Amino acid sequence: QVQLVESGGGLVRPGGSLRLSCAASGFTFSDFYMSWIRQAPGKGLEWVSHISNPGGTTSYADSVKGRFIISRDNANNSVFLQMNSLRPEDTGFYFCARDIGAGWYADSWGQGTLVTVSS
Amino acid sequence: IVLTQSPATLSVSPGERATLSCRATQSISRNLAWYQQIPGQPPRLLIYGASTRATGIPARFSGSGSGTEFTLTISSLKSEDFAVYYCQQFNNWPRTFGQGTKVGIK
Repeated sequence: QVQLVESGGGLVRPGGSLRLSCAASGFTFSDFYMSWIRQAPGKGLEWVSHISNPGGTTSYADSVKGRFIISRDNANNSVFLQMNSLRPEDTGFYFCARDIGAGWYADSWGQGTLVTVSS
Repeated sequence: IVLTQSPATLSVSPGERATLSCRATQSISRNLAWYQQIPGQPPRLLIYGASTRATGIPARFSGSGSGTEFTLTISSLKSEDFAVYYCQQFNNWPRTFGQGTKVGIK
């Protein structure tokens, strides 16, 4: 079955960087767009970024554009999120998700990894 | 596109019907999905294309609507259905979510 396992979260100071990873299994990874979606504690969902299946096309929410970079390694079934210039409002759970279509909606989600940005 | 869900909280007894609403600020055709999130778990896809149930989703979940008005109906609530439900549009970029409706036990 589809499995998505995120890692790399933690506590970081404002202005710092983190790199999140998502290991995928149970499906043909290179056939699917992949997304990162986040959720501040006790709040709703916010789509952050997605990447096309070859990896040539990326999109970002305005709130992270210019600070976050999404990438993928199809040989190792992994997707990454490089997060720079982190702000307290970036705090939350970050979910890796498998997209249907060209990033339309997510049919499988990981358990999430917690990012806390605080001094 | 902003999605507004109502009500914010819904109290329902087991076995009763729950009706959740999602309204878009402009037409999104039928490009809407619904998710269920149980506390401490990731969201789970319920419905896509406004009315198509995802794999493994019980028939008591149904979606309807098009344009700007959408509804998720749970015909007879079970204990495992008490959760937060989100709608999400994929007609325009960026894809956006509603703020959620929490379905609680009455």
